[in-house]
Order: sequence, then structure tokens, then C-alpha cells
Amino acid sequence: GAGVSQSPSNKVTEKGKDVELRCDPISGHTALYWYRQSLGQGLEFLIYFQGNSAPDKSGLPSDRFSAERTGGSVSTLTIQRTQQEDSAVYLCASSLARGGHEQYFGPGTRLTVT
Amino acid sequence: GENVEQHPSTLSVQEGDSAVIKCTYSDSASNYFPWYKQELGKRPQLIIDIRSNVGEKKDQRIAVTLNKTAKHFSLHITETQPEDSAVYFCAACSYGGSQGNLIFGKGTKLSVKP
Repeated sequence: GAGVSQSPSNKVTEKGKDVELRCDPISGHTALYWYRQSLGQGLEFLIYFQGNSAPDKSGLPSDRFSAERTGGSVSTLTIQRTQQEDSAVYLCASSLARGGHEQYFGPGTRLTVT
Repeated sequence: GENVEQHPSTLSVQEGDSAVIKCTYSDSASNYFPWYKQELGKRPQLIIDIRSNVGEKKDQRIAVTLNKTAKHFSLHITETQPEDSAVYFCAACSYGGSQGNLIFGKGTKLSVKP
């Protein structure tokens, strides 16, 4: 079946603009995760959803970052007033449930803030 | 919260040799330890995982060991091949409690020389 998809694949934006990144998880997966990966770096946890609720927002780097999930499916990650340090690949993953289940990653959105 | 340390950051081996990557974690409540492989420009993919009720798990040329007392776990790749070249990430999480997200190590770049 279809895997996790993300859009756009690439996004170039000017500093100060808002951006919205989208994630379509695997159908039936209740848990959804957002990570940030800077060039040559590890996977930085941002936020996860169980259904439509986000019990753990501790990883969001600042109040410019927010995320929502509707209908237990699609999620959007919004970055307001983008800064150059926001440039990274944003990865989304989904799993059958939270915790000890395999996470399936999407291809990522490469965000470049100029 | 959980903290995962991974060593080494880079590892170069000759084809046919073994490779070992080690991780330590801080939260004694963690009970799920997956390993992900990320090839250049691609998304991370699960290669093997282990839960806290076992000490070792094998899958063909890949094995993972877990020492809960010492809070460390290791990935062992035998008879390495050039296609094993990638970045490998370890992770830890505690499922069944209030947490459910994976905390990743910073990654090990493995290069297998033919």
C-alpha cells in the first residue's frame, strides 16, 4: 500500500515568511511524528500525535512552531516568521500506535530559508 | 527525559569485516530500542529492534544486544558489504507510559570499503 507522503518535497522561502508542511500518514496509523534533520545531523524530535491530540509538544523549538492533525489523518506543521536556522529537512513518520511500534518515515520536506 | 548517546560518529571498515555501533541511554524506563538505516538522500528505515525482555536478537547478518543493567545496546553487522554503507541511528523509548516518542542518537556514518 501507499507509504507516508509529504509535501512539498522542497520549499524555499524568505526569512520572515510563514510556511506550512504537510504529512499524509499510512492509512490506519494512529500515531504520527514530526522530526527535524539538519544537514549531516541526527533526528530531532519535534512533536507527536496520538489520534488528533498532541500529548507531547516538548520538542517544538520555539513558539513559532505549531502542528495540528485533523480527522486522525493528515497533519500540518506550521513555522511562522521563518529564520535561517529553520533550514533543515522535516521528516514525518507514522506508526500503528504510539510507543514500541515501527515508525515509517516519509521522504521529507527540504526547507531552505534565504 | 531520555538521552541517547551513540558512538562512534564515523566508522570505516573493509568489506567482509564486522562493524559494531554502541549506544547508551539514560532513562531506565525505556523498553524499546530500534535501529534505523538511512542511505544518502533517502528516508530512515527500520532494520532491527529489540525490547527489554530479551538480551539479543539476530536477523541474518545483523544482531542487536541489550544490557539493561548498564543501559547500553549495540548493533553488530557481520560480513559487511558496500551496500551496508549508510548512516545508522539508534533510538530508545518507553512505551506503555506517558511517553511514546523515540529519542534518537546522533548517528554513525558507516563506510564499507570494497
